[in-house]
Amino acid sequence: AQSVTQLDSQVPVFEEAPVELRCNYSSSVSVYLFWYVQYPNQGLQLLLKYLSGSTLVKGINGFEAEFNKSQTSFHLRKPSVHISDTAEYFCAVSDQYSSASKIIFGSGTRLSIRP
Amino acid sequence: EAGVAQSPRYKIIEKRQSVAFWCNPISGHATLYWYQQILGQGPKLLIQFQNNGVVDDSQLPKDRFSAERLKGVDSTLKIQPAKLEDSAVYLCASSPTRTSGGETQYFGPGTRLLVL
Repeated sequence: AQSVTQLDSQVPVFEEAPVELRCNYSSSVSVYLFWYVQYPNQGLQLLLKYLSGSTLVKGINGFEAEFNKSQTSFHLRKPSVHISDTAEYFCAVSDQYSSASKIIFGSGTRLSIRP
Repeated sequence: EAGVAQSPRYKIIEKRQSVAFWCNPISGHATLYWYQQILGQGPKLLIQFQNNGVVDDSQLPKDRFSAERLKGVDSTLKIQPAKLEDSAVYLCASSPTRTSGGETQYFGPGTRLLVL
């Protein structure tokens, strides 16, 4: 079984500052990894995902994440945040060998941007 | 392309009442998911359909929750009777196929349920 830990429930940052949202996972098999974003009163939207290949994954809105197998981490980064990045961010994991494509979500990190 | 549609957006009921949520996935998407998102937590999968068959309902409280996807298109999730702990946002998502675990899921805006 897989699990996901998002170490920070809230991250406040100033506008135009860099940000890193941390995510660690646990699994006995190879995994796919995702970051989804949820803007207020909206559903989730995919930011980026790691399936295979390059460990540095680039997503929408200037976000990127790096898969580190030895550290079992998939941290999300952005070099300069904007007010519009205020949202909740969810890290998620899926078993590569599962026939059901089930995704396990972390508990989320609320990113608040201060002007 | 139209996104995943859900209705109603908000619902307030008293405990022991029943409630139903409706979801219309993106056209052509074979797989449909229902998630429960309790405040402060990530979404938890309740049930997954592939066309009109159930793939995974291991976390669906079957004594009170039921779901169906007639004709493999839209879906209904029902709670009967509701409990206070069912207060949550119910999210519907869809994806084109179920070929692997790396597929992107597309989410609707959710239905926010408050049980009093």
